[in-house]
Amino acid sequence: GDSVTQMEGPVTLSEEAFLTINCTYTATGYPSLFWYVQYPGEGLQLLLKATKADDKGSNKGFEATYRKETTSFHLEKGSVQVSDSAVYFCAFRFSGGYNKLIFGAGTRLAVHP
Amino acid sequence: DVKVTQSSRYLVKRTGEKVFLECVQDMDHENMFWYRQDPGLGLRLIYFSYDVKMKEKGDIPEGYSVSREKKERFSLILESASTNQTSMYLCASSPSFTSGPDSYNEQFFGPGTRLTVL
Repeated sequence: GDSVTQMEGPVTLSEEAFLTINCTYTATGYPSLFWYVQYPGEGLQLLLKATKADDKGSNKGFEATYRKETTSFHLEKGSVQVSDSAVYFCAFRFSGGYNKLIFGAGTRLAVHP
Repeated sequence: DVKVTQSSRYLVKRTGEKVFLECVQDMDHENMFWYRQDPGLGLRLIYFSYDVKMKEKGDIPEGYSVSREKKERFSLILESASTNQTSMYLCASSPSFTSGPDSYNEQFFGPGTRLTVL
């Protein structure tokens, strides 16, 4: 069935390090792909998205490219900050309609000064 | 600024109690969703609603029901709370497809209600 697999955490990095969080999906058709972020004590908020193959989503220094051939949507940032510490969720829009999303398990990122 | 609010941030209930979780959105969105968030499992969809008085089961509806009497409000009901329903509950809303393909994609989330059932 439809599912999202993302890298297990926690991921612990020093400030200014390079970040990659892997995400792959299994779905029929060509879903839209998303990264959501959850800061401590808050709900989820959309970080970036890509709606078709080879699209690159970007926001706040984060990027992810929709790779249809590998069914992947890995999140990257060149230089992380302490303020990036959060839980990151990969998701895709369910092909059946009504804007249903399928989420991955989430990856906790901790950035230390 | 868009806003989804949930009635409580923290809630403690006893086994067997009937529990109501309320969610209100001020964006005139057609779609509303209830998820539960558990460590290692991500977010799982409990129920969603695409219009007033309309509802659809998500992936884990057992033990839950919902109510949508007004467009802005979507309630999650635990008919008889059990300890395995201890979790973080997140509400979200989104426009319908008729609002345009870009807006259709984003769901807006509330801050969550952490429910503990003793």
